[in-house]
Amino acid sequence: DVKVTQSSRYLVKRTGEKVFLECVQDMDHENMFWYRQDPGLGLRLIYFSYDVKMKEKGDIPEGYSVSREKKERFSLILESASTNQTSMYLCASSAYPGGWAVTDTQYFGPGTRLTVL
Amino acid sequence: AQTVTQSQPEMSVQEAETVTLSCTYDTSESDYYLFWYKQPPSRQMILVIRQEAYKQQNATENRFSVNFQKAAKSFSLKISDSQLGDAAMYFCAYRSAFMKTSYDKVIFGPGTSLSVIP
Repeated sequence: DVKVTQSSRYLVKRTGEKVFLECVQDMDHENMFWYRQDPGLGLRLIYFSYDVKMKEKGDIPEGYSVSREKKERFSLILESASTNQTSMYLCASSAYPGGWAVTDTQYFGPGTRLTVL
Repeated sequence: AQTVTQSQPEMSVQEAETVTLSCTYDTSESDYYLFWYKQPPSRQMILVIRQEAYKQQNATENRFSVNFQKAAKSFSLKISDSQLGDAAMYFCAYRSAFMKTSYDKVIFGPGTSLSVIP
């Protein structure tokens, strides 16, 4: 079974703090994703990575950055946390078969519920 | 741009009964994939069922089945013999069959919260 783990289930931070959310997958997947989940809005893509050191912005990248130094690990960074970043953050990974083939199903981590005070 | 709509924010069903969750989407593409994901309370989101748009036959997975109406752009999920463990948030999602960019963007609906009454 694919396993995607996130470093924390619950996190409370203060406004202005630098926040790191870590995600690790154990299936050698090429693609990794960070989503933000808010009630009534579903999941919105923050950033995506398709290879080590490669990243692309999703729909709502403002206020966030990411790092992928190793294939299995994808970090989301809030440089200066703000109260409007209070949310549930989901990490996901998927395999990439190559070429123009559609990638495989995305597998999700348990989520990190971040509260910024 | 593609959009996914789930018009029922909350639904409930009696245990052992059948419930149908609605999903509509908007796209100009002819080939795509549709998904239903389940997110139980405090647990990981998992894929329930997927449908390939070029396949006319509706996908089924045990007690879960879909009613895919391509012309109407409708993709509903039917849960038969509902169980307490079916209580969860359900997300409908869309993905293009062709990678136009370097990633396969999945578009999620806002979700439907399903309660199962014992």
